[in-house]
Amino acid sequence: GESVGLHLPTLSVQEGDNSIINCAYSNSASDYFIWYKQESGKGPQFIIDIRSNMDKRQGQRVTVLLNKTVKHLSLQIAATQPGDSAVYFCAEKDYGQNFVFGPGTRLSVLP
Amino acid sequence: GAGVSQSPSNKVTEKGKDVELRCDPISGHTALYWYRQRLGQGLEFLIYFQGNSAPDKSGLPSDRFSAERTGESVSTLTIQRTQQEDSAVYLCASSLPSSQPQHFGDGTRLSIL
Repeated sequence: GESVGLHLPTLSVQEGDNSIINCAYSNSASDYFIWYKQESGKGPQFIIDIRSNMDKRQGQRVTVLLNKTVKHLSLQIAATQPGDSAVYFCAEKDYGQNFVFGPGTRLSVLP
Repeated sequence: GAGVSQSPSNKVTEKGKDVELRCDPISGHTALYWYRQRLGQGLEFLIYFQGNSAPDKSGLPSDRFSAERTGESVSTLTIQRTQQEDSAVYLCASSLPSSQPQHFGDGTRLSIL
């Protein structure tokens, strides 16, 4: 099937290591942020979200960090597994009701 | 439980033809979004519906693109006189009030010959 993100930045990690995917956002007034995972041929899947009144939120094996000072968002995946291989997108909600998506990062998990 | 459903999953058509893409959101989701994703690219916002409010059409790239939504149910995205640059995956998402995570369908892969 069609591959998404043939020319995207790629992060390669060994299975079992931790992964950190970074995202710079553009709007200092954005108040809600989401990380999505997109596998080939599928729509984006929600991973974790965070609101601007927080700087850290944890889920199962994932942690999102928000640094509003430098407008930076990161997604940390603990003990990366082969099933984590995908393209990861951050999204911010801007002034309106729209979500603005980052360009995406391809995560490749090496055996 | 049913997620967001899009049809067709694939569409191949000739340049100049009109196409209609369908999205069935999750029941009860008042917000509905359409995005375009070109190969190797991120998601490009097209249009947003919220309940009975006027839709935000600010992302539609030209007047060949239009979308409708009946109440809080099905939406259709129509592309008239298709061009080769319209080839992309068209994704639909729905959510509860807009500051909630969006749930995406698997998209319609549109190829213009």
